Amino acid sequence: DTGVSQNPRHKITKRGQNVTFRCDPISEHNRLYWYRQTLGQGPEFLTYFQNEAQLEKSRLLSDRFSAERPKGSFSTLEIQRTEQGDSAMYLCASSLARGGGYTFGSGTRLTVV
Amino acid sequence: GQNIDQPTEMTATEGAIVQINCTYQTSGFNGLFWYQQHAGEAPTFLSYNVLDGLEEKGRFSSFLSRSKGYSYLLLKELQMKDSASYLCAVRDSNYQLIWGAGTKLIIKP
Repeated sequence: DTGVSQNPRHKITKRGQNVTFRCDPISEHNRLYWYRQTLGQGPEFLTYFQNEAQLEKSRLLSDRFSAERPKGSFSTLEIQRTEQGDSAMYLCASSLARGGGYTFGSGTRLTVV
Repeated sequence: GQNIDQPTEMTATEGAIVQINCTYQTSGFNGLFWYQQHAGEAPTFLSYNVLDGLEEKGRFSSFLSRSKGYSYLLLKELQMKDSASYLCAVRDSNYQLIWGAGTKLIIKP
């Protein structure tokens, strides 16, 4: 297992376009988390899945954001009608349910121009 | 509300020792994590404390006092590669991680 994998590493998009990011967690981890991080801040929780079920979404996650984890393995995060304020690093992490540490992927850096 | 406080920036000298403090107020407590994050990279796990006391792992140690809502990360024999941000995070009663904003550590030769 090579850890948590995220694609793409970088994405530049024009305002108003839709973007989709992918996260492949550690295979035996059943929890998967999405975070957003801006410069000089800690990660900000967006949503998490236990297996294929999306158990919690942050109130900060507007209707333009949607996440899926269709078979309880990889996950996608889609942002529709991107805005400049969406520019950030999007981090994915996985863990075993309720215990242990969280392993992060390398992140996807989104720039909206 | 939930709050994690840590200093914004610290400077130390190569070979020295530095202590990064973290205080927290959260709804419940199920462990405290320290992560290291180099600029432009993802956080990497350093330590985990769930019981009071000191956990030592090589040059890095982490201390927890649950009654005081306080933790520190101690870095010994500092190396230039230790220049990074250090993030404190608490897992609350819902098993969600609450993150501090991070402490940027600058190491000078």
